[in-house]
Amino acid sequence: GENVEQHPSTLSVQEGDSAVIKCTYSDSASNYFPWYKQELGKGPQLIIDIRSNVGEKKDQRIAVTLNKTAKHFSLHITETQPEDSAVYFCAAAWGKLTFGTGTRLTIIP
Amino acid sequence: DTEVTQTPKHLVMGMTNKKSLKCEQHMGHRAMYWYKQKAKKPPELMFVYSYEKLSINESVPSRFSPECPNSSLLNLHLHALQPEDSALYLCASSQGSQEYQPQHFGDGTRLSIL
Repeated sequence: GENVEQHPSTLSVQEGDSAVIKCTYSDSASNYFPWYKQELGKGPQLIIDIRSNVGEKKDQRIAVTLNKTAKHFSLHITETQPEDSAVYFCAAAWGKLTFGTGTRLTIIP
Repeated sequence: DTEVTQTPKHLVMGMTNKKSLKCEQHMGHRAMYWYKQKAKKPPELMFVYSYEKLSINESVPSRFSPECPNSSLLNLHLHALQPEDSALYLCASSQGSQEYQPQHFGDGTRLSIL
């Protein structure tokens, strides 16, 4: 089955700086890659996604890049704000969603 | 606020109790999911319903029994649970069950087994 590795497990960033989270996947058949943000006491919230026929997608301060050859994809958050503090999960989909292990992002004011 | 509503938000039950978790969505989605999430871990898929029929059961113990009464509702019936079943139970929905359809999650039911 699919296996998704996510790094780093924790990340602390000064407010206003950029944050990057990286994931690799094992199944080359995976064709959909969403990113979720989970705040304390809440369910995962879809923040951006990318399909395998696209290399990059951007939505305001958030961008995702996909390298299908290397089987890795990354989340980029620019101009970070305190409200960006949360746990972020990447996922890869082939038949079902397989999640990465999560990154706890802390924005330091 | 999420568009997937789960009730109750918290549930404490003994190992001999029978209880049900409920999930509702009004986005016209035809696929609904149950996930289990332990602390500091990612969600793990339990069940998938597509057009009100069970399409995936990830080898979940029979003490968990899903039900999809209609396209908007999803229940999870619980009976004779074990302490290790304590977790956050998340419901999600998507337009269809194809893997590229975005899944939208509720805020979950936090379940504690005494």
